[in-house]
Amino acid sequence: DIVMTQSPDSLAVSLGERATINCKSSRNVLYSSNNKNYLAWYQHKPGQPPRLLIYWASTRESGVPDRFSGSGSGTDFTLTISSLQAEDVAVYYCQQYYSSPFTFGQGTKLEIK
Amino acid sequence: QVQLVESGGGVVQPGRSLRLSCAAYGFTFSSYGMHWVRQAPGKGLEWVSVISGAGSNSFYADSVKGRFTISRDNSKNTLYLQMNSLRAEDTAVYYCAKGGSSSSWDRADYWGQGTLVTVSS
Repeated sequence: DIVMTQSPDSLAVSLGERATINCKSSRNVLYSSNNKNYLAWYQHKPGQPPRLLIYWASTRESGVPDRFSGSGSGTDFTLTISSLQAEDVAVYYCQQYYSSPFTFGQGTKLEIK
Repeated sequence: QVQLVESGGGVVQPGRSLRLSCAAYGFTFSSYGMHWVRQAPGKGLEWVSVISGAGSNSFYADSVKGRFTISRDNSKNTLYLQMNSLRAEDTAVYYCAKGGSSSSWDRADYWGQGTLVTVSS
């Protein structure tokens, strides 16, 4: 199984500042045939279902604010929130869908400093 | 718009069975893979299973393989999860989620509100 490891486990950032969350996979999730990284990022707030933010490592889902961006390839990935807003407080997860089981990272809890 | 409505959760004794359903609205159901993802109390998200749009292939987490079966009825726009030999560690909110394409190997782009399964004697 591919193990997804996020860092840090929790993060406190001031409003308007940048937040960066890292995700490392134990194996490559870049499919050479189509040059796509099978990696997604989700936002999860209490009492709500998870929300897809980013897929193919860097494609922003429709309706997601452009302050959210994804980068990386192969085994190392990053979710960046360029200017933190109060509504961004949540737990963030990366997930690989390259190989079953489609494992999630352990989550990163983002709070306001 | 896309809507996913889970049902079938509840309290069940260890070793018993339960079937979850997920009714889908607002998209061509048969054209998309579908996932089940769960979250145990105080824990993170755990992917459970996926089935392709045509139902021709399916995959499972190691923790549920051999006990859970995913299926779909494209004529009824409904996804199922048959859960047998339930254990206390299966206690969780179970979400169904729509895939991004007909393939199993794709993100989960829309999620239902979830249904709670509690396994307890």
